[in-house]
Amino acid sequence: DGGITQSPKYLFRKEGQNVTLSCEQNLNHDAMYWYRQDPGQGLRLIYYSQIVNDFQKGDIAEGYSVSREKKESFPLTVTSAQKNPTAFYLCATGGTGGTGELFFGEGSRLTVL
Amino acid sequence: GENVEQHPSTLSVQEGDSAVIKCTYSDSASNYFPWYKQELGKGPQLIIDIRSNVGEKKDQRIAVTLNKTAKHFSLHITETQPEDSAVYFCAALNSNSGYALNFGKGTSLLVTP
Repeated sequence: DGGITQSPKYLFRKEGQNVTLSCEQNLNHDAMYWYRQDPGQGLRLIYYSQIVNDFQKGDIAEGYSVSREKKESFPLTVTSAQKNPTAFYLCATGGTGGTGELFFGEGSRLTVL
Repeated sequence: GENVEQHPSTLSVQEGDSAVIKCTYSDSASNYFPWYKQELGKGPQLIIDIRSNVGEKKDQRIAVTLNKTAKHFSLHITETQPEDSAVYFCAALNSNSGYALNFGKGTSLLVTP
Protein backbone atom coordinates (compact mmCIF):
# COMPACT_ATOMS: atom_id res chain seq x y z
CA ASP A 1 0.00 0.00 0.00
CA GLY A 2 1.13 3.56 -0.50
CA GLY A 3 3.49 2.95 -3.41
CA ILE A 4 3.80 -0.83 -3.36
CA THR A 5 1.92 -2.78 -5.99
CA GLN A 6 1.51 -6.53 -5.79
CA SER A 7 -0.03 -8.53 -8.60
CA PRO A 8 -2.00 -10.56 -9.15
CA LYS A 9 -4.24 -10.21 -6.11
CA TYR A 10 -5.62 -13.72 -6.56
CA LEU A 11 -3.95 -16.58 -8.38
CA PHE A 12 -4.85 -20.19 -8.91
CA ARG A 13 -2.27 -22.75 -9.87
CA LYS A 14 -2.25 -26.41 -10.66
CA GLU A 15 0.16 -28.66 -8.83
CA GLY A 16 3.51 -28.88 -10.57
CA GLN A 17 3.40 -25.40 -12.05
CA ASN A 18 5.67 -22.53 -11.20
CA VAL A 19 4.11 -19.13 -10.62
CA THR A 20 5.64 -15.67 -10.27
CA LEU A 21 4.25 -12.97 -8.00
CA SER A 22 5.06 -9.39 -8.87
CA CYS A 23 6.08 -6.66 -6.42
CA GLU A 24 6.81 -3.13 -7.65
CA GLN A 25 7.58 -0.07 -5.50
CA ASN A 26 7.98 3.63 -6.16
CA LEU A 27 9.07 4.58 -2.65
CA ASN A 28 12.77 4.55 -3.57
CA HIS A 29 13.45 2.10 -0.75
CA ASP A 30 16.60 0.02 -0.87
CA ALA A 31 15.31 -3.02 1.01
CA MET A 32 12.52 -5.32 -0.12
CA TYR A 33 11.06 -8.38 1.57
CA TRP A 34 8.73 -11.29 0.92
CA TYR A 35 6.68 -12.73 3.76
CA ARG A 36 4.28 -15.63 3.77
CA GLN A 37 1.17 -15.54 5.94
CA ASP A 38 -0.80 -18.60 7.02
CA PRO A 39 -3.70 -18.62 9.49
CA GLY A 40 -2.36 -18.65 13.05
CA GLN A 41 1.27 -18.55 11.86
CA GLY A 42 1.97 -14.88 11.67
CA LEU A 43 4.33 -13.55 9.02
CA ARG A 44 7.30 -15.69 8.05
CA LEU A 45 10.22 -14.34 6.05
CA ILE A 46 10.91 -16.00 2.69
CA TYR A 47 13.59 -13.79 1.09
CA TYR A 48 14.90 -10.27 1.45
CA SER A 49 17.08 -7.94 -0.56
CA GLN A 50 18.95 -4.93 0.75
CA ILE A 51 20.33 -3.77 -2.56
CA VAL A 52 20.03 -4.43 -6.28
CA ASN A 53 21.56 -7.71 -7.46
CA ASP A 54 21.79 -9.06 -3.93
CA PHE A 55 19.34 -11.08 -1.84
CA GLN A 56 19.36 -13.46 1.12
CA LYS A 57 17.27 -16.40 2.23
CA GLY A 58 14.88 -15.96 5.07
CA ASP A 59 13.47 -18.59 7.40
CA ILE A 60 11.39 -20.50 4.84
CA ALA A 61 13.16 -20.05 1.47
CA GLU A 62 12.90 -23.66 0.29
CA GLY A 63 10.80 -23.93 -2.85
CA TYR A 64 10.99 -20.21 -3.63
CA SER A 65 13.27 -18.05 -5.76
CA VAL A 66 13.68 -14.30 -6.24
CA SER A 67 15.58 -11.78 -8.33
CA ARG A 68 16.47 -8.12 -7.80
CA GLU A 69 17.53 -6.71 -11.14
CA LYS A 70 15.99 -3.30 -10.50
CA LYS A 71 15.54 -1.27 -7.34
CA GLU A 72 11.81 -1.01 -7.99
CA SER A 73 11.10 -4.70 -8.51
CA PHE A 74 11.43 -7.88 -6.43
CA PRO A 75 9.46 -10.75 -8.01
CA LEU A 76 8.91 -14.01 -6.15
CA THR A 77 8.65 -17.34 -7.94
CA VAL A 78 6.85 -20.15 -6.18
CA THR A 79 8.26 -23.30 -7.68
CA SER A 80 6.81 -26.78 -7.93
CA ALA A 81 9.26 -27.77 -5.18
CA GLN A 82 7.28 -25.78 -2.61
CA LYS A 83 5.24 -28.49 -0.91
CA ASN A 84 2.49 -26.33 0.52
CA PRO A 85 2.27 -23.16 -1.57
CA THR A 86 -1.31 -22.14 -0.81
CA ALA A 87 -0.95 -18.97 1.28
CA PHE A 88 -1.19 -15.19 1.39
CA TYR A 89 2.05 -13.57 0.20
CA LEU A 90 3.09 -10.12 1.32
CA CYS A 91 5.77 -7.90 -0.17
CA ALA A 92 7.28 -5.13 1.93
CA THR A 93 9.85 -2.37 1.56
CA GLY A 94 11.95 -0.42 4.00
CA GLY A 95 15.19 1.43 4.55
CA THR A 96 18.49 -0.40 4.37
CA GLY A 97 19.38 -2.29 7.52
CA GLY A 98 15.82 -2.71 8.71
CA THR A 99 16.03 0.14 11.16
CA GLY A 100 12.69 1.63 10.37
CA GLU A 101 9.14 1.08 9.31
CA LEU A 102 8.18 -1.58 6.82
CA PHE A 103 5.58 -0.71 4.21
CA PHE A 104 3.46 -3.60 3.00
CA GLY A 105 1.66 -4.23 -0.25
CA GLU A 106 -1.92 -5.48 -0.37
CA GLY A 107 -0.84 -9.07 -0.78
CA SER A 108 -1.33 -11.88 -3.27
CA ARG A 109 -3.41 -14.93 -2.41
CA LEU A 110 -2.18 -18.08 -4.10
CA THR A 111 -4.33 -21.19 -4.19
CA VAL A 112 -3.03 -24.48 -5.54
CA LEU A 113 -5.73 -26.67 -6.96
CA GLY B 1 17.68 -16.05 15.99
CA GLU B 2 15.00 -13.85 17.46
CA ASN B 3 11.81 -15.51 18.70
CA VAL B 4 8.73 -13.39 19.34
CA GLU B 5 5.75 -14.76 21.21
CA GLN B 6 2.41 -12.97 21.28
CA HIS B 7 -0.63 -13.40 23.54
CA PRO B 8 -3.52 -13.76 23.42
CA SER B 9 -4.26 -15.17 19.98
CA THR B 10 -7.84 -13.88 20.16
CA LEU B 11 -9.34 -11.09 22.21
CA SER B 12 -12.92 -9.89 22.44
CA VAL B 13 -13.83 -6.66 24.22
CA GLN B 14 -16.87 -4.44 24.43
CA GLU B 15 -16.80 -1.06 22.77
CA GLY B 16 -15.30 1.51 25.12
CA ASP B 17 -13.25 -1.01 27.09
CA SER B 18 -9.46 -1.29 26.92
CA ALA B 19 -7.52 -4.01 25.11
CA VAL B 20 -4.02 -5.19 25.96
CA ILE B 21 -1.82 -7.43 23.81
CA LYS B 22 1.50 -8.72 25.11
CA CYS B 23 4.67 -9.90 23.40
CA THR B 24 7.95 -11.35 24.60
CA TYR B 25 11.21 -11.57 22.69
CA SER B 26 14.30 -13.69 23.11
CA ASP B 27 17.21 -11.58 21.80
CA SER B 28 18.26 -9.13 24.51
CA ALA B 29 19.99 -7.04 21.84
CA SER B 30 16.73 -6.30 20.01
CA ASN B 31 16.18 -2.57 19.91
CA TYR B 32 13.19 -1.87 17.67
CA PHE B 33 9.61 -2.98 18.42
CA PRO B 34 6.79 -2.06 16.02
CA TRP B 35 3.11 -2.96 16.11
CA TYR B 36 1.13 -3.56 12.93
CA LYS B 37 -2.62 -3.67 12.30
CA GLN B 38 -3.98 -5.83 9.52
CA GLU B 39 -7.52 -5.53 8.25
CA LEU B 40 -9.14 -8.38 6.38
CA GLY B 41 -7.62 -8.97 2.95
CA LYS B 42 -5.09 -6.16 3.27
CA GLY B 43 -1.44 -5.75 4.11
CA PRO B 44 -0.33 -4.84 7.66
CA GLN B 45 0.10 -1.17 8.52
CA LEU B 46 2.32 0.27 11.23
CA ILE B 47 0.33 1.82 14.06
CA ILE B 48 3.03 2.53 16.62
CA ASP B 49 6.64 1.59 17.35
CA ILE B 50 9.13 1.97 20.17
CA ARG B 51 12.89 1.81 20.42
CA SER B 52 14.87 0.40 23.31
CA ASN B 53 15.88 3.77 24.71
CA VAL B 54 12.26 4.56 25.55
CA GLY B 55 9.95 2.86 28.07
CA GLU B 56 6.59 4.07 26.83
CA LYS B 57 5.11 5.81 23.83
CA LYS B 58 1.57 7.10 23.26
CA ASP B 59 -0.40 8.14 20.22
CA GLN B 60 -3.96 9.15 21.05
CA ARG B 61 -5.78 5.94 22.12
CA ILE B 62 -2.80 3.70 21.48
CA ALA B 63 0.23 3.17 23.71
CA VAL B 64 3.14 0.79 23.79
CA THR B 65 5.23 -0.09 26.84
CA LEU B 66 8.61 -1.79 26.86
CA ASN B 67 10.31 -3.66 29.68
CA LYS B 68 13.83 -4.45 28.52
CA THR B 69 14.76 -6.33 31.67
CA ALA B 70 11.88 -8.75 31.28
CA LYS B 71 12.10 -8.67 27.48
CA HIS B 72 8.48 -7.93 26.90
CA PHE B 73 6.42 -5.17 25.36
CA SER B 74 2.70 -4.51 25.23
CA LEU B 75 0.13 -2.70 23.13
CA HIS B 76 -2.64 -0.85 24.94
CA ILE B 77 -5.75 0.40 23.16
CA THR B 78 -8.12 2.51 25.22
CA GLU B 79 -11.74 3.42 24.48
CA THR B 80 -11.95 0.73 21.84
CA GLN B 81 -14.19 1.21 18.82
CA PRO B 82 -15.61 -1.34 16.34
CA GLU B 83 -13.14 -0.11 13.71
CA ASP B 84 -10.30 -1.28 15.95
CA SER B 85 -11.34 -4.85 15.10
CA ALA B 86 -8.44 -6.38 13.16
CA VAL B 87 -5.42 -8.63 13.56
CA TYR B 88 -2.51 -7.04 15.41
CA PHE B 89 1.09 -8.16 15.06
CA CYS B 90 4.07 -7.32 17.22
CA ALA B 91 7.62 -7.56 15.89
CA ALA B 92 11.18 -7.18 17.07
CA LEU B 93 14.51 -6.39 15.44
CA ASN B 94 18.13 -6.10 16.43
CA SER B 95 19.07 -3.41 13.93
CA ASN B 96 22.78 -3.94 14.58
CA SER B 97 22.77 -7.49 13.30
CA GLY B 98 19.41 -8.23 11.74
CA TYR B 99 17.84 -7.04 8.56
CA ALA B 100 14.26 -8.20 8.78
CA LEU B 101 11.55 -7.99 11.39
CA ASN B 102 10.59 -11.11 13.33
CA PHE B 103 6.84 -11.17 13.88
CA GLY B 104 4.60 -12.66 16.51
CA LYS B 105 1.75 -14.90 15.39
CA GLY B 106 -0.86 -12.20 15.73
CA THR B 107 -3.87 -11.35 17.88
CA SER B 108 -7.34 -11.21 16.41
CA LEU B 109 -9.16 -8.38 18.21
CA LEU B 110 -12.93 -8.12 18.06
CA VAL B 111 -14.66 -5.05 19.46
CA THR B 112 -18.37 -5.60 19.91
CA PRO B 113 -20.84 -2.68 20.02
